[in-house]
Amino acid sequence: QVQLKESGPGLVQPSQTLSLTCTVSGFSLMDYSVHWVRQPPGKGLEWMGRMKYDGDTYYNSALKSRLSISRDTSKSQVFLKMNSLQTEDTAIYYCTRAMDAWGQGASVTVSS
Amino acid sequence: DVVLTQTPVAQPVTLGDQASISCRSSQSLVHSNGNTYLEWYLQKPGQSPQLLIYKVSNRFSGVPDRFIGSGSGSDFTLKISRVEPEDLGVYYCFQATHDRTFGGGTKLELK
Repeated sequence: QVQLKESGPGLVQPSQTLSLTCTVSGFSLMDYSVHWVRQPPGKGLEWMGRMKYDGDTYYNSALKSRLSISRDTSKSQVFLKMNSLQTEDTAIYYCTRAMDAWGQGASVTVSS
Repeated sequence: DVVLTQTPVAQPVTLGDQASISCRSSQSLVHSNGNTYLEWYLQKPGQSPQLLIYKVSNRFSGVPDRFIGSGSGSDFTLKISRVEPEDLGVYYCFQATHDRTFGGGTKLELK
């Protein structure tokens, strides 16, 4: 069945770079887009960006200068990198297949 | 940037009642290809969001027919007839016509 699983460091220092991996199974990254969505504690959802099935990327304009999404199709993995982290980037980060199947989320805290 | 405004912020309900959530966009969500990319998601407590409705009124696989999406242009509604316990949580509208944007959310809770 379709599965997505986020992984990465739970704690990142301010000004550092966040690196997250979304490992998928049950579908091909060359057939479906993968999106990243985040949710600060107690707040709503924010769409961050997506890796399209053809390798094209598209980002939230508010995050575009700090965000990069890439993939390794041979490993069925999609990567998120975001630099210059601040405390307001503390959130649960989700990856989702075309918004119709979601991972469980990875909690990231930005703190020294 | 498109702004989606959901009302109400919280909707107290009695099980078995109907609930209605509004989502208004700052601009029309009709794409140049004629489609309207307005979706609805439910996030149950402690869980990841789940897709309920896509392209305004199409129920995703496995979604009960008590969930009804409607609307056009910049004004959309999600109705839930006969609310059941598993329907409680926060509902989000989301648009994918112009960039991508979520609404602020509506919490469906028991009275």
